[in-house]
Amino acid sequence: GAGVSQSPSNKVTEKGKDVELRCDPISGHTALYWYRQRLGQGLEFLIYFQGNSAPDKSGLPSDRFSAERTGESVSTLTIQRTQQEDSAVYLCASSLEPSYEQYFGPGTRLTVT
Amino acid sequence: GNSVTQMEGPVTLSEEAFLTINCTYTATGYPSLFWYVQYPGEGLQLLLKATKADDKGSNKGFEATYRKETTSFHLEKGSVQVSDSAVYFCALSDWNNAGNMLTFGGGTRLMVKP
Repeated sequence: GAGVSQSPSNKVTEKGKDVELRCDPISGHTALYWYRQRLGQGLEFLIYFQGNSAPDKSGLPSDRFSAERTGESVSTLTIQRTQQEDSAVYLCASSLEPSYEQYFGPGTRLTVT
Repeated sequence: GNSVTQMEGPVTLSEEAFLTINCTYTATGYPSLFWYVQYPGEGLQLLLKATKADDKGSNKGFEATYRKETTSFHLEKGSVQVSDSAVYFCALSDWNNAGNMLTFGGGTRLMVKP
C-alpha cells in the first residue's frame, strides 16, 4: 500500500520567506510525527499529533515554526521568516497508534539561501 | 532527558568483515530501542527493535541485544555485504506527552568495499 508521502521533495527559498511543508500519512494512522535532520546529524523531534491535536509543542525550535493537522490526515509544517539555520531535511512519520512502529516519509530537503 | 550516543563514522569495512556499531543510551523510563537504516537516496527504515531488557532484535543478518545493565544496544553483523553500505541510526522511544517520540543518535555511516 501507499506509504508516507511528503511534498515538495526539495525546496529552495530565500532567507525571510515563509515555507509550508506537507505530509500525507498512511491512511488510518492516528499518530503523526515531524522530525528535522540537519546535515551530518541525527534526527531531532519537532512535534507529535494524536489525531488532530498536538499535546506537546516543546520540540519546535522557535515561534517561527508551527504545524497543524486536519481530518486526522494531512499535516503541514510552516516555517515563517526562514533563516539559514532552518536548512535541513524535514521528515514526517506516522504510526497506526502512538505506541506502534513509525513509518517515515522520504523527507523534504529545505535549503535557505 | 533522554539521549542516544553512537560511534562516529565513517566505518569502512571489506566485504565479509564483522561489523559492530556501538550505541549507548540514557533514559529516565523504560524505553524501547531501535536501529534504523538510511540507504543512499532512500528514506529511513526500521531495521530491528527490542522492547525490553535482554531482548534481541534481529533482521537481515543484523542483531542487537538490549542490555539494561550497560545501557547499550550495539549493532552487529557477522559478514557485511556491499549492499549494507548506508547510514545507521540508533534510537529509543519512551512514552510521554510527545507520544512515542524517537530520540536518535547522530548516525554512523558504513561503507563496505568489495
